[in-house]
Amino acid sequence: KNQVEQSPQSLIILEGKNCTLQCNYTVSPFSNLRWYKQDTGRGPVSLTIMTFSENTKSNGRYTATLDADTKQSSLHITASQLSDSASYICVVSHLGGATNKLIFGTGTLLAVQP
Amino acid sequence: DSGVTQTPKHLITATGQRVTLRCSPRSGDLSVYWYQQSLDQGLQFLIQYYNGEERAKGNILERFSAQQFPDLHSELNLSSLELGDSALYFCASSFGTSLNTGELFFGEGSRLTVL
Repeated sequence: KNQVEQSPQSLIILEGKNCTLQCNYTVSPFSNLRWYKQDTGRGPVSLTIMTFSENTKSNGRYTATLDADTKQSSLHITASQLSDSASYICVVSHLGGATNKLIFGTGTLLAVQP
Repeated sequence: DSGVTQTPKHLITATGQRVTLRCSPRSGDLSVYWYQQSLDQGLQFLIQYYNGEERAKGNILERFSAQQFPDLHSELNLSSLELGDSALYFCASSFGTSLNTGELFFGEGSRLTVL
């Protein structure tokens, strides 16, 4: 079954600290992997998109890594800010048919405290 | 601002009723996607339209239907509403029909509460 699992479910860190969020997937065949940031009650906003041939991609203080062999991805947040408090969603694109199907993880809820 | 507009932002209705959610995609985008996000659940894909035609179907109930109009805006119709239909409904748009590398832009969502 095509699934995306994220860990931890929630995380609390102090402002200025770094953190790493994990994503494991069983989606096959795989097209690409995306990380989204979703503020409470808002729509998801794309952070990174990586194809199977990419190992790492950065967007400011956000760095995503991908290991297509082990089917694992991580999102590293550097020097966290209060505005980083949000849900971070890992999304894997299932390659197949006329259109790819996006499979969403349930997200990691990050709280950054002063 | 993603450029995707959804209305209404909030909607409260009773069981058995019917509602319509509206979405205007980003300028130039031809694909519209509808997603449902229930409390503590991941986004569930409902349906995709591309340039007016249904392109892909996900976990959409028979009580739900959607369409995309010639001006590319889309409507999601939810009927015979049940308590379990209470959720955030997101619309997203992309330029192409495939999400191989295409970016997906989400609206701010419509929060539906069924009492």
